[in-house]
Amino acid sequence: KAGVTQTPRYLIKTRGQQVTLSCSPISGHRSVSWYQQTPGQGLQFLFEYFSETQRNKGNFPGRFSGRQFSNSRSEMNVSTLELGDSALYLCASSLEGPSTDTQYFGPGTRLTVL
Amino acid sequence: GEDVEQSLFLSVREGDSSVINCTYTDSSSTYLYWYKQEPGAGLQLLTYIFSNMDMKQDQRLTVLLNKKDKHLSLRIADTQTGDSAIYFCAVGSNDYKLSFGAGTTVTVRA
Repeated sequence: KAGVTQTPRYLIKTRGQQVTLSCSPISGHRSVSWYQQTPGQGLQFLFEYFSETQRNKGNFPGRFSGRQFSNSRSEMNVSTLELGDSALYLCASSLEGPSTDTQYFGPGTRLTVL
Repeated sequence: GEDVEQSLFLSVREGDSSVINCTYTDSSSTYLYWYKQEPGAGLQLLTYIFSNMDMKQDQRLTVLLNKKDKHLSLRIADTQTGDSAIYFCAVGSNDYKLSFGAGTTVTVRA
């Protein structure tokens, strides 16, 4: 089975722009989670989706949003980018959710905001 | 929310055993994980343990769980240079997310 894939792998944007990141889960997985990784804050939970429904959202401003499609693929969007949004964005998938199944991560999208 | 703590650095000689420790606060955790991250890469699932288990062994990896003390450890036997990486302890809870420790940087010296 193919693993979790994320596109693009690298992005460079300027402050004020917006960005959309994409995640394709492992085939058959219906839960997709997003995490932000920075040197200062470590790994922080952004949101989790299951069958197109957001079940939990982390403590991030409303500029961070996401969605999940009927094929379980997910996108996250960050609007009005700030320098502090520079990070590695990781997507993870599992069958039913991180509380009940093993969660597998993709390679991440590295976002640099100039 | 869940607090997960782990030591930041570990230096070990090649061929020795490495032990990485982790403590957590949420007693309702069902899955507890160890992930490995190499430079520039995502998180690789190393192993996991259910909360109703005390120990799990998987080749060179041994996970010990002390639920009473909320303590999790990962032992890597016969540590190799390829084991140099950052290791994250992660705890799954009932609110559909994982909480991560800050990561332990393991350096294997010859």
